[in-house]
Amino acid sequence: AQSVTQLDSQVPVFEEAPVELRCNYSSSVSVYLFWYVQYPNQGLQLLLKYLSGSTLVKGINGFEAEFNKSQTSFHLRKPSVHISDTAEYFCAVSGGRRGNKLTFGTGTQLKVEL
Amino acid sequence: NAGVTQTPKFQVLKTGQSMTLQCAQDMNHNSMYWYRQDPGMGLRLIYYSASEGTTDKGEVPNGYNVSRLNKREFSLRLESAAPSQTSVYFCATQIERASYNEQFFGPGTRLTVL
Repeated sequence: AQSVTQLDSQVPVFEEAPVELRCNYSSSVSVYLFWYVQYPNQGLQLLLKYLSGSTLVKGINGFEAEFNKSQTSFHLRKPSVHISDTAEYFCAVSGGRRGNKLTFGTGTQLKVEL
Repeated sequence: NAGVTQTPKFQVLKTGQSMTLQCAQDMNHNSMYWYRQDPGMGLRLIYYSASEGTTDKGEVPNGYNVSRLNKREFSLRLESAAPSQTSVYFCATQIERASYNEQFFGPGTRLTVL
């Protein structure tokens, strides 16, 4: 069984400040990790993914995440946020095999303020 | 390429009414999923279909039925709607390759049950 924990339900931040959204997972097997973003009244779209290789993964819109196997974490970061980054962010984990389903965290609402 | 489409976008039902949510994809993916999204609870899997002709229960299947009509279409039916089924419903498909899985989402159906 696998699970994902997003400890922060809401993260307020001022524009141009850095931000980190935390994600921890548990799994008994190797994993694939994902971050999805949901803008208001829209579906989810993929921000970035970790499959294997380099533990630092770069995604769209200047976001990046680091896979830390020893701490079972996959935190999302951006050095300078913009108003347009206001959205809900979901971390997800999948077993590292073809056909495994994704398990999603409960989401973190990022609110960027002027 | 429309990707994943869902109809309707919005729906209001009275308690006890029935309705079917439609999902279609042109991505030629085998796996399809139905989720519901509620505040503070993230995405919860209702049903999924690993291939045409097969369906399986997810985390919260009670009160729902599904049909995988063909490879393209996967519908979700509420036989007797209840206020607890007020939610946003997302359909997703999953690409499955030897190296990774990834899900692609539709825009969602916002359902209110009075």
